[in-house]
Amino acid sequence: DAKTTQPTSMDCAEGRAANLPCNHSTISGNEYVYWYRQIHSQGPQYIIHGLKNNETNEMASLIITEDRKSSTLILPHATLRDTAVYYCIVRPSRANSGYALNFGKGTSLLVTP
Amino acid sequence: DAGITQSPRHKVTETGTPVTLRCHQTENHRYMYWYRQDPGHGLRLIHYSYGVKDTDKGEVSDGYSVSRSKTEDFLLTLESATSSQTSVYFCAISDVTSGKETQYFGPGTRLLVL
Repeated sequence: DAKTTQPTSMDCAEGRAANLPCNHSTISGNEYVYWYRQIHSQGPQYIIHGLKNNETNEMASLIITEDRKSSTLILPHATLRDTAVYYCIVRPSRANSGYALNFGKGTSLLVTP
Repeated sequence: DAGITQSPRHKVTETGTPVTLRCHQTENHRYMYWYRQDPGHGLRLIHYSYGVKDTDKGEVSDGYSVSRSKTEDFLLTLESATSSQTSVYFCAISDVTSGKETQYFGPGTRLLVL
């Protein structure tokens, strides 16, 4: 699986958009970009994933560059409850593959009042 | 939360004793996983299962065994617990509906081996 690089930590003011970058310059054509987050002491939570096109759901938006070498997770209106460690993960996605996830160190996002 | 429960949620045990952690799912997913999480290491895969009685090793499988006799239950056993197995253990399932594979995690089990 391709390696990802994320900033160690970021701050964001409550109510503002949080933009979390991820570099995955060695990504290959069949690999998806997944984002998870882990709020202190809880199990990781799935946020969103994508292959080539930008994606949006009720939690966040995922912007993937045209060359697919980097992506940005956007939390449009951050709240204090979004304080968490955010993990960008690259992996092949085939139905019934059973692949485990390589979480890495992630970005610790602190949302401040 | 994909209907995943883990038991016990907290356990303190002594070195050398056997310990079994249980993961239970209500969604009938084929794939189940056990991870451990330690400071400075992130989550690491211990074992996973791709069906009843079908299991395979992960990155850190030494000292652990697993069993899956029913679709809904995946057991992790520490045959003889050591202090290095003090950790937070997370179970996960893989949802492959609609061709999109997404993992959902349980709440975790905190294990302290004295």
